[in-house]
Amino acid sequence: QTVVTQEPSLTVSPGGTVTLTCACSTGAVTSGSYPNWLQQKPGQTPRALIYSTNNKHSWTPARFSGSLLGGKAGLTLSGVQPEDEAEYYCLLHCGGAWVFGGGTKLTVL
Amino acid sequence: QLQLQESGPGLVRPSETLSVTCIVSGDSIGSATYYWDWIRQPPGKGLEWIGHMSGTGVSSYNPSLKSRVTISVDTNRFSLRMTSMTAADTAVYYCARSRVAPSGDRVMLDPWGQGTLVTVSS
Repeated sequence: QTVVTQEPSLTVSPGGTVTLTCACSTGAVTSGSYPNWLQQKPGQTPRALIYSTNNKHSWTPARFSGSLLGGKAGLTLSGVQPEDEAEYYCLLHCGGAWVFGGGTKLTVL
Repeated sequence: QLQLQESGPGLVRPSETLSVTCIVSGDSIGSATYYWDWIRQPPGKGLEWIGHMSGTGVSSYNPSLKSRVTISVDTNRFSLRMTSMTAADTAVYYCARSRVAPSGDRVMLDPWGQGTLVTVSS
């Protein structure tokens, strides 16, 4: 069974920079894994942020960026705002199917 | 603007079959570049992709659920059928749309329905 791994939790200070990562158990994440990132705040439906590695939706703040980092997918937040406190999920096509990571709980403190 | 709305039974007995429907409005369901997804989230836990079907009937399923799941697409709705339900299947079930952009990019899971809670209990 394919497993996608994210950091369970990260803490960042307001105005700081943080990178979340996403790895696939079957091998390196590439552009062909089509990494997508979603944000979910408590009590809300998830919302798409980044598609196919580094493409932003029209509503995605400029401080969010996606990348590939040493065989993993990455989501970087630069100039973190208090409202960025949320759960972040990556979604990869790996092992022949779409698989969510377990989520990263980002705390802004 | 595309809108999705799930409807489900709320409560399902163990061993029974779940049927959930997602009503699609604001766009055509029948495009080969659109995929109609089901995702679930147990209370307090993470997201799990269940599967999807394209507007032209091409499907893909989570391997761990494949033997129990069927997704179908109709004129303005798509449906999820999951057999042999257990308490572990208690979750909010979401529908969403994914698409393949002209560039080949995969634009996954936008938008989402609001979700429907399904509880498996006797």
